[in-house]
Amino acid sequence: ETGVTQTPRHLVMGMTNKKSLKCEQHLGHNAMYWYKQSAKKPLELMFVYNFKEQTENNSVPSRFSPECPNSSHLFLHLHTLQPEDSALYLCASSAKPGVEQYFGPGTRLTVT
Amino acid sequence: AQSVTQLDSQVPVFEEAPVELRCNYSSSVSVYLFWYVQYPNQGLQLLLKYLSGSTLVESINGFEAEFNKSQTSFHLRKPSVHISDTAEYFCAVSATGGSYIPTFGRGTSLIVHP
Repeated sequence: ETGVTQTPRHLVMGMTNKKSLKCEQHLGHNAMYWYKQSAKKPLELMFVYNFKEQTENNSVPSRFSPECPNSSHLFLHLHTLQPEDSALYLCASSAKPGVEQYFGPGTRLTVT
Repeated sequence: AQSVTQLDSQVPVFEEAPVELRCNYSSSVSVYLFWYVQYPNQGLQLLLKYLSGSTLVESINGFEAEFNKSQTSFHLRKPSVHISDTAEYFCAVSATGGSYIPTFGRGTSLIVHP
């Protein structure tokens, strides 16, 4: 596998479920990001990790919980989500914060 | 803090015509500038970037953008578009020092008609 991969590509979950999104980068980068992309809204930065340390939490509700066990893997744990959380969740990585980012294909999340 | 404005939410154009997608930014410090493209049901892909040096940067598929510091702009141009260029285009800016949070514009939907 090359680049940035995300699993699953599609996820449907009820409001009481717990699920996790996974992101893996094969580029040797040190920074990883989670974004939320909703229809008709700007791209929203959620979390930033640099060398496995969280450097940004952009006022994200606690029902979203990130985890970065190493520089290659990033998870987004989801619990008790709301219908308005339905969106495309994009993972990205970069060699260091601020330079060009490489995005995964995204996970299309639907909360019912 | 920095901000990005993409002035057009949608740009329709006929195949083989030239196109310009506009991007203006605001920042109190030096910046890096990027254009990304997103095809349907995919993530964003880097199209081109300005980090330093020549103010005119080019992509491998015929797009170019020029960094204009006095007008705080980074417009994207292509002299002749193809149907396959139909996609969403995002302009982004990062500060070279201080906060590294990247800021994206709202995107411009380029629609190429035959």
